[in-house]
Amino acid sequence: AQSVTQLGSHVSVSEGALVLLRCNYSSSVPPYLFWYVQYPNQGLQLLLKYTTGATLVKGINGFEAEFKKSETSFHLTKPSAHMSDAAEYFCAVSSYNQGGKLIFGQGTELSVKP
Amino acid sequence: KAGVTQTPRYLIKTRGQQVTLSCSPISGHRSVSWYQQTPGQGLQFLFEYFSETQRNKGNFPGRFSGRQFSNSRSEMNVSTLELGDSALYLCASRPDSSYNEQFFGPGTRLTVL
Repeated sequence: AQSVTQLGSHVSVSEGALVLLRCNYSSSVPPYLFWYVQYPNQGLQLLLKYTTGATLVKGINGFEAEFKKSETSFHLTKPSAHMSDAAEYFCAVSSYNQGGKLIFGQGTELSVKP
Repeated sequence: KAGVTQTPRYLIKTRGQQVTLSCSPISGHRSVSWYQQTPGQGLQFLFEYFSETQRNKGNFPGRFSGRQFSNSRSEMNVSTLELGDSALYLCASRPDSSYNEQFFGPGTRLTVL
């Protein structure tokens, strides 16, 4: 079975500060890992993904994440927060044998203070 | 290329009724998945269809069903609606070659009164 835990349902940062959203996963097979962002009244938009290869992945809008197998983590970072980053962020896990099924964490709401 | 589209965007129903939601995937995508999003349970996988066949199913009661047509468009049906079915229902499609990367539509907001 697979699962995802996102530490912190709400994270608040100041504009220009580092953004760090934490995600830990559990998977008995090599995982595919994703970060999605959701703005109010919208669907989910893919920020970045890890499937195979390089463990540091870069995504859209300046976000990046590092896959650490030994720590079963896939934390999302951005060096400098912007007001437009305020949204809800979801970490998700899947694998080669799961087809289109994604298992999501509970989400982290990011607030950015001016 | 047009994204995933879902209709209707908003829906209000009463308990006991049934509802059908529609999803049109990105052109060329044969896989369509459905998710339910609620404040309490978060995002939960309902089912996936590929080439008109259900390929994977989540842990939902039989009141939730779906189908896929030959043009890859998909519908989801919920019968005998309950208050707890109020949720945002998201549809996602993916290309055959993807590592399960899903492209999501804007969702249908269902309210059950």
